[in-house]
Amino acid sequence: GESVGLHLPTLSVQEGDNSIINCAYSNSASDYFIWYKQESGKGPQFIIDIRSNMDKRQGQRVTVLLNKTVKHLSLQIAATQPGDSAVYFCAERGNAGNMLTFGGGTRLMVKP
Amino acid sequence: KAGVTQTPRYLIKTRGQQVTLSCSPISGHRSVSWYQQTPGQGLQFLFEYFSETQRNKGNFPGRFSGRQFSNSRSEMNVSTLELGDSALYLCASNLVGGADTQYFGPGTRLTVL
Repeated sequence: GESVGLHLPTLSVQEGDNSIINCAYSNSASDYFIWYKQESGKGPQFIIDIRSNMDKRQGQRVTVLLNKTVKHLSLQIAATQPGDSAVYFCAERGNAGNMLTFGGGTRLMVKP
Repeated sequence: KAGVTQTPRYLIKTRGQQVTLSCSPISGHRSVSWYQQTPGQGLQFLFEYFSETQRNKGNFPGRFSGRQFSNSRSEMNVSTLELGDSALYLCASNLVGGADTQYFGPGTRLTVL
């Protein structure tokens, strides 16, 4: 069935280093992928998205890479800052309207 | 532009009661989706509404229901509450049904005692 998973439940990085959060998905029909950031007590906040006809997309300090061959998605955060500390979710949209299937989440901890 | 708003933010109920949660989407957004977030199950899709019609429904019992009004505001209702319904209920909206980015509200924290 459809599922989206994450390899690392917790990632600890030094402030200023680059962070990479990975995600595996299983539905080859998914056409759209999103990364969200969720801070304690808040709803998920949109970070960046990518369509299935692309393999890379860049935003401000963030890059999403999509490898459809191995069904893998990654989020790269450049020069990680303490404010980046949060739980990060990947999500995929399959062929059922707007329904998003979320991964389990990765907690990013930034050490000063 | 104001974001997605949800009311109430916190709610405490007892088993057997029912509850209604409200969501106001971003102005101009017509699609509203609801998700349940728990530590054990993560984020799970409940249902989606577009133009006052339910377009998709997740794998939840019939005790969970929703509706959308002509101004795109949405409500979800949970009847006969169970302890396992304790969760953060999140609402998300996007501009056009079936298109792209969903923006989430802060959620309603429901505790069932």
